[in-house]
Amino acid sequence: DQQVKQNSPSLSVQEGRISILNCDYTNSMFDYFLWYKKYPAEGPTFLISISSIKDKNEDGRFTVFLNKSAKHLSLHIVPSQPGDSAVYFCAAVTQGGSEKLVFGKGTKLTVNP
Amino acid sequence: NAGVTQTPKFQVLKTGQSMTLQCAQDMNHEYMSWYRQDPGMGLRLIHYSVGAGITDQGEVPNGYNVSRSTTEDFPLRLLSAAPSQTSVYFCASKGPNTGELFFGEGSRLTVL
Repeated sequence: DQQVKQNSPSLSVQEGRISILNCDYTNSMFDYFLWYKKYPAEGPTFLISISSIKDKNEDGRFTVFLNKSAKHLSLHIVPSQPGDSAVYFCAAVTQGGSEKLVFGKGTKLTVNP
Repeated sequence: NAGVTQTPKFQVLKTGQSMTLQCAQDMNHEYMSWYRQDPGMGLRLIHYSVGAGITDQGEVPNGYNVSRSTTEDFPLRLLSAAPSQTSVYFCASKGPNTGELFFGEGSRLTVL
């Protein structure tokens, strides 16, 4: 049973426009959420996170929104740049527990010049 | 500061062979973990360790063995390789912040 779902395997946007990547989760025990970015032939790198006590967290061009009632989060990238082309993984964890991160399957973002 | 170092980067095995994927980190992190990445499957946790001498199973532990004798090292052993273990393997350690993993560059394993 998939606890973290990214239903869009791929997304293509034009440079300068907004990219919106979506993620849903089923486990109500998750209380901390993260986005990771992965380039080919490299390991994933941490991008941005949000605690369940917040509904928004912003870091430069990247903003994560959390809707707890819908068990949904989204990553907004504004403006999108060609260097943002990568696979983005959504992840969730329960704080104070075993710290096991559960990842979604990823969304491949392509930003066209 | 090297971060998380994995070796080898590429390996080809025959079915039934055994091997060890090495992972070392120089950040003095207590938590370390192994993930595998398969097409369309995302990252799945194999085993993890919250400190030296302590290991536990993740989502897909079968066919893999781990040990944690030091804080720095967390090797992953394949006891008898199977084609289903063809994958890219990532080792990661975690610092003080919740969920923030530092990943190695990955080890691509092919089992024929």
